[in-house]
Order: sequence, then C-alpha cells, then structure tokens
Amino acid sequence: GEDVEQSLFLSVREGDSSVINCTYTDSSSTYLYWYKQEPGAGLQLLTYIFSNMDMKQDQRLTVLLNKKDKHLSLRIADTQTGDSAIYFCAERKSGYSTLTFGKGTMLLVSP
Amino acid sequence: GAVVSQHPSWVICKSGTSVKIECRSLDFQATTMFWYRQFPKQSLMLMATSNEGSKATYEQGVEKDKFLINHASLTLSTLTVTSAHPEDSSFYICSALGLAGATDTQYFGPGTRLTVL
Repeated sequence: GEDVEQSLFLSVREGDSSVINCTYTDSSSTYLYWYKQEPGAGLQLLTYIFSNMDMKQDQRLTVLLNKKDKHLSLRIADTQTGDSAIYFCAERKSGYSTLTFGKGTMLLVSP
Repeated sequence: GAVVSQHPSWVICKSGTSVKIECRSLDFQATTMFWYRQFPKQSLMLMATSNEGSKATYEQGVEKDKFLINHASLTLSTLTVTSAHPEDSSFYICSALGLAGATDTQYFGPGTRLTVL
C-alpha cells in the first residue's frame, strides 16, 4: 500500500467542523505535516506535529496524532468557504529531510 | 517570513526547446532545496534534492540529463527541462528547507505550470 493515505474528498457546510484523516506506515516518522494547496498554487504549510506529541492546536486548527495506530487528523473549526482547497498530509522519516506526501484530500465548503 | 518564489509562474514552449525555472528563498538562506512534480489531481512526486554547492540527488526514475538542477547560491536553485516534450507538461514546485520553530521544515514555492506544445 501507499506510505501515506488520505481520503480523497470531504464536503462540509460553512460553519461546521471539518476533520481530514491520514494514515502513515513508517513508525520512525519524526514529524508529520499538513499542507494546504489552493487551485493553481503551491503548498502552504498549515501546521506540523512532532511524533512525541498527541495534540497540537493553532487557532482553528487542531492536529491529533495517534502514534500507535499511525493515524493523523486535522480538524478545522468553523470551516469557511475560503478553506476549500486540497489538504496534503506528509511524513518526514527519521534521518531524512525529504517528505512523503499523501494524495491529498479535496475539501469543499458550501455556503 | 519563509517565503519562496518561483519564476516563471507559467510557461508555454515548443517541443524540443529548453526551459529554465528559478526557485528563490526570499528571506532566508536554504542550503537544501527540493524539486517536485505534480500531475493533475495527483500528489507531489519528489524529483531531486538540491544542496548548495554540490550535485543534486535525483530520485529513481528521474533523468538527470533531462532535468538539470543547479544550486549555485544559498537562495537560488534552478531546474532546466532540456529538450522538453509534451509528456514533460506538468506543475513543477520547489521547496526550500528553512526553520520553523525548533525544526527545519519545507517551505514551498507557488509552482510553475509548464505546457509543452
């Protein structure tokens, strides 16, 4: 299977919370990242979490990490139409500076 | 902070020509830069890792003679697609390794869309 897997699509209404899930396979991953890509644009780093943390919160964003299950999630509170984009989960393996990306989850926020 | 620019943002060229794409870290120095390729609705595929002052490290399956990478300074890396063909049409994204808090992380450029006719 793929190193990093994500569901491909999520649709929510404006004001609701969005939860984007990601699973990875390498238990030696040191950092896990969430990037946002708007149409035709590059990737914007949203947040990252170190592998010895369970949770990280940054304004509307909450990252949860279950290292035992190798499961990462990104929760966006009070989702806005401007949050519509593709969200990529990425892992950084121990000893490497490169990242392995998932295929991305397209988030569509409807008014 | 941690802004990465790419130039050009898009380019259309004829088959057989060469195209150079620049990647600059604007407000930080980056000893390491990465070049990715992204096909429509696909994830990013790492092409090569570029270290300032040394040869780039290419991923398996990436032709180093076709995709020439130069990282001549701490703020500039270039990717030249030589003798471009329609199958080289893609979105090319660079990233630069910079500091985010206590760790180094990748900051991405806005991408360059290459269309080869």
